[in-house]
Amino acid sequence: GESVGLHLPTLSVQEGDNSIINCAYSNSASDYFIWYKQESGKGPQFIIDIRSNMDKRQGQRVTVLLNKTVKHLSLQIAATQPGDSAVYFCAETYTGTASKLTFGTGTRLQVTL
Amino acid sequence: DAGITQSPRHKVTETGTPVTLRCHQTENHRYMYWYRQDPGHGLRLIHYSYGVKDTDKGEVSDGYSVSRSKTEDFLLTLESATSSQTSVYFCAIGDRGNGYTFGSGTRLTVV
Repeated sequence: GESVGLHLPTLSVQEGDNSIINCAYSNSASDYFIWYKQESGKGPQFIIDIRSNMDKRQGQRVTVLLNKTVKHLSLQIAATQPGDSAVYFCAETYTGTASKLTFGTGTRLQVTL
Repeated sequence: DAGITQSPRHKVTETGTPVTLRCHQTENHRYMYWYRQDPGHGLRLIHYSYGVKDTDKGEVSDGYSVSRSKTEDFLLTLESATSSQTSVYFCAIGDRGNGYTFGSGTRLTVV
């Protein structure tokens, strides 16, 4: 399997609880943010995105919060399930950068039964 | 993922040999990207393309070159592979307006 998660921070959550994964970004010009989920042996999968003109966006069981003042992004997963176990990355980009994404280092979410 | 294919999926090569990884898309997308992923790091951009024969460097481009002679193919070449290039390589297509899709990755081991 993948060795990508060897040194990642890990969040351990009990099944059914809510999870909160945090991400700090450094570029104040960033105006588009994406959360990705990566399972072992697979590429990143889109979860939810948010643009800088919003503070909050909700999807199915997921919510992303953006605090531009402190350059902080969070992903909330409601009623966490075993299938949510994966590595989660935030990514950012900004206008005029040819749509290049810059990724955070990731957080491993472990769901315990 | 549908619309983007990477080949090979796994490769073991010797130090000093050239290696080419291929990314093929069927989405006719303008932008294509090559990333590498290592333990303790997120994905880091190697090179990207914004059109046929239009490419530029990312943050970790040393030791890599790319080519895009047609819209659907984006090739990543390691001219002389080194052990530090042992990694998982991901190709992506997309942009900030339409979203991004990632391939399944190529695991490259340089021995």
